[in-house]
Amino acid sequence: GQQLNQSPQSMFIQEGEDVSMNCTSSSIFNTWLWYKQDPGEGPVLLIALYKAGELTSNGRLTAQFGITRKDSFLNISASIPSDVGIYFCHGGSQGNLIFGKGTKLSVKP
Amino acid sequence: DVKVTQSSRYLVKRTGEKVFLECVQDMDHENMFWYRQDPGLGLRLIYFSYDVKMKEKGDIPEGYSVSREKKERFSLILESASTNQTSMYLCASTTGTVAYEQYFGPGTRLTVT
Repeated sequence: GQQLNQSPQSMFIQEGEDVSMNCTSSSIFNTWLWYKQDPGEGPVLLIALYKAGELTSNGRLTAQFGITRKDSFLNISASIPSDVGIYFCHGGSQGNLIFGKGTKLSVKP
Repeated sequence: DVKVTQSSRYLVKRTGEKVFLECVQDMDHENMFWYRQDPGLGLRLIYFSYDVKMKEKGDIPEGYSVSREKKERFSLILESASTNQTSMYLCASTTGTVAYEQYFGPGTRLTVT
């Protein structure tokens, strides 16, 4: 079946750092979406991408739909403490809904 | 704003009990979903529904059933709870036209002892 490989699994951030994460698949998707889950809450949609090559920003967040339609990345610029949480990628195709396993962002001690 | 609510945030049940998890959305969404979330495994789809009284199995339906008698309400049922069903359960909904943009509830953390 379809699978999404999301990396890194976890990372530590220091305030002000830029963060990058990505999802790759051997399958083609028509849609890529990125969600963030705060501790103890449900995921919240951050960015939705519907066209190959599309680059979309939402404040300090930037996401791109890979030109091959098999990957997507999410960048967070100038991270702040409230960026901690779990980020999920989500690929959609022909009614199939696949989530990556998540990237957990924590604050560097 | 879309609001998806779940009946309980935390639930503790005993092995063998019948468990009902309820989800209600207030935006007239056609599609509703139940996921379970486990560390290292991400979100896994249990069941979904595209219409009232309609249901489709997801990736891990074993041990679960669902009910959708009204458009706004989607229930997940554990017929006989087992310890391996201890998990975070998330409900989500989407419109028919933008079916991939999911709105999630806050989750129910179920512990089966």
